Amino acid sequence: QQQVKQSPQSLIVQKGGISIINCAYENTAFDYFPWYQQFPGKGPALLIAIRPDVSEKKEGRFTISFNKSAKQFSLHIMDSQPGDSATYFCAASKVWSNDYKLSFGAGTTVTVRA
Amino acid sequence: NAGVTQTPKFRILKIGQSMTLQCTQDMNHNYMYWYRQDPGMGLKLIYYSVGAGITDKGEVPNGYNVSRSTTEDFPLRLELAAPSQTSVYFCASRHTEAFFGQGTRLTVV
Repeated sequence: QQQVKQSPQSLIVQKGGISIINCAYENTAFDYFPWYQQFPGKGPALLIAIRPDVSEKKEGRFTISFNKSAKQFSLHIMDSQPGDSATYFCAASKVWSNDYKLSFGAGTTVTVRA
Repeated sequence: NAGVTQTPKFRILKIGQSMTLQCTQDMNHNYMYWYRQDPGMGLKLIYYSVGAGITDKGEVPNGYNVSRSTTEDFPLRLELAAPSQTSVYFCASRHTEAFFGQGTRLTVV
């Protein structure tokens, strides 16, 4: 059973538009929620991460919104650019655990049209 | 700073052959992981290690084995390759942030 559910599977956005990717989790013990960006032929790389003690975190054009009561979090890409075209994965883990494992969503392929 | 290095980048195996995917990291991380990535399925954890000499199974361990004799190295072994093992394999190491290698694209025919 997938512990983190991600949607949509893919999306297309015009240059300058907003991309929104949503994730939901089951395990209330999760306390670290990162987003990874993956370009074709490359490994995933950390984009931005949030802890549940804040409801929003912004880094440049990328913002994570976090709703602890709904067990949901989302990634917003503002002013989307063609260079943002990539696959994005949400993930979750327990910081203080003996294995520190990350549970990943299925991924969202974002295509930004010029 | 090399980070996480995986070799080989590409490999074609015949059914029943064996191979080892190599992974080494230079960040002195205790936690290391092997994932496989299949289209539309995200990243599935195969095996992980919390330190030298300690390994454990992840979600999809069948058909694979690992060892961790040093902090730096975490090789993944396929003993009898099957078409279901055709995938892209990623090694990662972690302190707080997880760092991934470039991946190994494996095809079993």
